[in-house]
Amino acid sequence: KNEVEQSPQNLTAQEGEFITINCSYSVGISALHWLQQHPGGGIVSLFMLSSGKKKHGRLIATINIQEKHSSLHITASHPRDSAVYICAFQSGGGADGLTFGKGTHLIIQP
Amino acid sequence: EAGVVQSPRYKIIEKKQPVAFWCNPISGHNTLYWYRQNLGQGPELLIRYENEEAVDDSQLPKDRFSAERLKGVDSTLKIQPAELGDSAVYLCASSPGYRDTQYFGPGTRLTVL
Repeated sequence: KNEVEQSPQNLTAQEGEFITINCSYSVGISALHWLQQHPGGGIVSLFMLSSGKKKHGRLIATINIQEKHSSLHITASHPRDSAVYICAFQSGGGADGLTFGKGTHLIIQP
Repeated sequence: EAGVVQSPRYKIIEKKQPVAFWCNPISGHNTLYWYRQNLGQGPELLIRYENEEAVDDSQLPKDRFSAERLKGVDSTLKIQPAELGDSAVYLCASSPGYRDTQYFGPGTRLTVL
């Protein structure tokens, strides 16, 4: 069983739409990360959060520790937002590498 | 500021051959990670270094994989001998400390024929 579940796996939307990607995890964590990966490109860290909400430009990330759930929102989506968005957590235990979800493949059509 | 540098970007080898990947982290970053990403999957941690010490290598297949970070700066990941199932993207990441934001390199795409 994957400790990190993302939904949806694939999402196609029109430019300007409000996008939500969800992430659920099953263990205690010290931090949750949202990352972006473009085709053929490297991984870029978007957010690292352990509580509440963070905002950067058109991106918003929220986390509910009690419900073990996080969401990534994109407002006024644009074709350049097309990428794979990956949720990952750092456990509260000794292994501090990230445990990754499988990613959500987002396509924004003009 | 330069990001995480990895080389080579692409490598094609035949099975049973050895291969090595190199990573130079962001200057001043004490923590270095090696991840493997299979097609359509999220990355999986292979090994984490704190300076020159490997502090988590539980997922590293030690029969054929080895890694080193001799001076606590750049690092090398080696596979010997390579198998078909080793085809993947090998990612290096670094962070100032072990609970800080991680910065990823572009990865090395390995194809084993």
